[in-house]
This record gives sequence, structure tokens and C-alpha cells, in this order.
Amino acid sequence: GAVVSQHPSWVICKSGTSVKIECRSLDFQATTMFWYRQFPKQSLMLMATSNEGSKATYEQGVEKDKFLINHASLTLSTLTVTSAHPEDSSFYICSASRRGSGRNEQFFGPGTRLTVL
Amino acid sequence: AQTVTQSQPEMSVQEAETVTLSCTYDTSENNYYLFWYKQPPSRQMILVIRQEAYKQQNATENRFSVNFQKAAKSFSLKISDSQLGDTAMYFCAFMKSGSGNTGKLIFGQGTTLQVKP
Repeated sequence: GAVVSQHPSWVICKSGTSVKIECRSLDFQATTMFWYRQFPKQSLMLMATSNEGSKATYEQGVEKDKFLINHASLTLSTLTVTSAHPEDSSFYICSASRRGSGRNEQFFGPGTRLTVL
Repeated sequence: AQTVTQSQPEMSVQEAETVTLSCTYDTSENNYYLFWYKQPPSRQMILVIRQEAYKQQNATENRFSVNFQKAAKSFSLKISDSQLGDTAMYFCAFMKSGSGNTGKLIFGQGTTLQVKP
């Protein structure tokens, strides 16, 4: 159990377009979902924390108008990269905390590779 | 603010041998969790082991064990009988517990481990 999926697994888009990435908890209800960004051979950088039905909390330095997060249900959160530019090319990973089990374990999705041309 | 430091960017070990990955952290909290995550070439984050700070006993999961030194704020990972499948990037991570727990993980920089045949 505790499987998290992401869609798409990779995406290539043109500069100036918007891209939506979905994160789903497949077999559990997620209290909280987290979005990370990872550059090659570097650590995960937390971008934002989202709770179902409320606004996301963004980390310092992350543009909330550029990285739109919607946590519509207890099993789905979406990250939309608006007006993408080549510098937004990265690996985006989501994770979810399972409802009822406290917040001491996160389950990670497989990640989405975004390439902006 | 909490910080996590992994001072070994890269390490290598011969198959079947033992290797220890270092991690130190800084916090003023008394209650927290510490984690080791593995990220193989597939880039899927996998939980290796978890330690609760209030527990003095070191956590163990099969070939993986930790040396948790709370006073020294050190949390090293020992991998025994290394296998080729252990080749991955390893991240040490910190999470507050109790009332201050937002579920947020703070990651170290990562250590790339290469297991050689």
C-alpha cells in the first residue's frame, strides 16, 4: 500500500507554455502533499506544502504565481508551471502524508522530468 | 532553523563489504524523526530506515542500521554486505515531531554510493 503516482512521467514543452503535473495517492487519503524540485545530482528542494481544500504554503523564494498548486481532493494535487522557461527544466517530485497515520512518513511519487525548449 | 549535512558527496564500496555514510544535523528541537532515503537511478525515493529521537536504541532494517548519537547530533547509516542494487544516492533527512510537526522533511545534500563488483 501507500502508492503515489505522478503524471506525466516526462514532458517537453515550448517556452511560454504552461504545464500541469498531477500527483495522486492511489490507495490512501493524503492529509498533506508536498512538491519538490531536484536538479541533477542535487538534493530535493521543497517548493510548497499543500493541504486539501486550502491554499498551498510556499517556501521562501518560490514564486506562487508561477508554480500554481491545487489540492482539490484527498487523493489529488496538481502543480502547474505557468509560462515555463528553460530554467524551469528540472525533475519535479511529489510526496504525500497518509491521513490518520500522523505526519511522520511521506510516500514519494516517481517524479516528472520537465524539459522546456 | 534545522540543517542537515552530509559531508561525503561520493563513496564507493566493494560488493559484500560494509560502508558507513555520515550525516550530522543541527536543531534546537528535542523531539524529531531522522530518516535515510535511497534514490536509485530510477529516481524513485525509497525509505531505508527511520529513527525517532526519543528512542535510544538504534534502528535496524535487515542489512541497514544506524548509529544515532543524539548529543553529537549525528546519524550515520551502515550498510552491511553491500549489494550492487544498493548503488544509489542516499539522503539523510530531518522532520520535527509533536505539535511542531508540519510533515516537512529537511534533506541533506546527498551521498552517491557506488557498489563495485
